[in-house]
Amino acid sequence: AQSVTQLGSHVSVSEGALVLLRCNYSSSVPPYLFWYVQYPNQGLQLLLKYTTGATLVKGINGFEAEFKKSETSFHLTKPSAHISDAAEYFCAVSVRSGNQFYFGTGTSLTVIP
Amino acid sequence: GAGVSQSPSNKVTEKGKDVELRCDPISGHTALYWYRQSLGQGLEFLIYFQGNSAPDKSGLPSDRFSAERTGGSVSTLTIQRTQQEDSAVYLCASSLGGSGGAVETQYFGPGTRLLVL
Repeated sequence: AQSVTQLGSHVSVSEGALVLLRCNYSSSVPPYLFWYVQYPNQGLQLLLKYTTGATLVKGINGFEAEFKKSETSFHLTKPSAHISDAAEYFCAVSVRSGNQFYFGTGTSLTVIP
Repeated sequence: GAGVSQSPSNKVTEKGKDVELRCDPISGHTALYWYRQSLGQGLEFLIYFQGNSAPDKSGLPSDRFSAERTGGSVSTLTIQRTQQEDSAVYLCASSLGGSGGAVETQYFGPGTRLLVL
C-alpha cells in the first residue's frame, strides 16, 4: 500500500527565508512523486514531479525537491520565499503499475512580509 | 485553452437528498479522476475513468456514490441519500490518458463545495 505523510499542516516563514515543506512516503514499489500547489480560490496545479533519472527535480516558481530513496522522502524547498508563495501544498505518490494517486493532507504556507 | 471546469461551485442540500456534481475535462484528455477533500484531510481518490475502459471505482466510499462519463468527456458524480459526512470539496482532474498513466500530470478543476445540512 502507498501513503504520504506531510509533517506540519501549517508552516510560516518570513519573506526571503528558506522554504522547507516535508513529505515522506511509503511505497512497496518504486514510486512517482509529485508536488501540487493550490493558490486561494484556484484548483491544484503541478509544481514538479519525479519519475526517473536525476533525483533533484526543479519545478516552477523556483521550487525544487529531492527524491531520497533511503529516507523515503521528497521534501520541497525554495531558497527565498516570496509573498506570492502563500498557498496550500500537497505531496502525492503514484505507482507505475496503477492509476491511483495518493495525496498527503497538505501544508499551508504563510509568508510573513 | 479552457481548463477543467466544475459545477456547481457550491451546493447546499438537506440530508437524504440526491446531488449531482458535474465535471468538464480539458478537451482531448481521456483520463478523468474524482477526488474528495474533507476538512483537514488529503485528497481521497474516488473513481478513475480512462477512455472507454471500465472505470476504477475502488475509491467510492459506499454504494450511494456513483459516477458516469458520457461520450468520453463530461462526467457526473452522483451522491444519493446524502449524509452530513458527505460534506466536502469534490475535485475533478483530467490528464492526457496516454500510456503514461500514473506519471501524467493531472489538471484540476476548482472543485464543488458540498454542504449537507
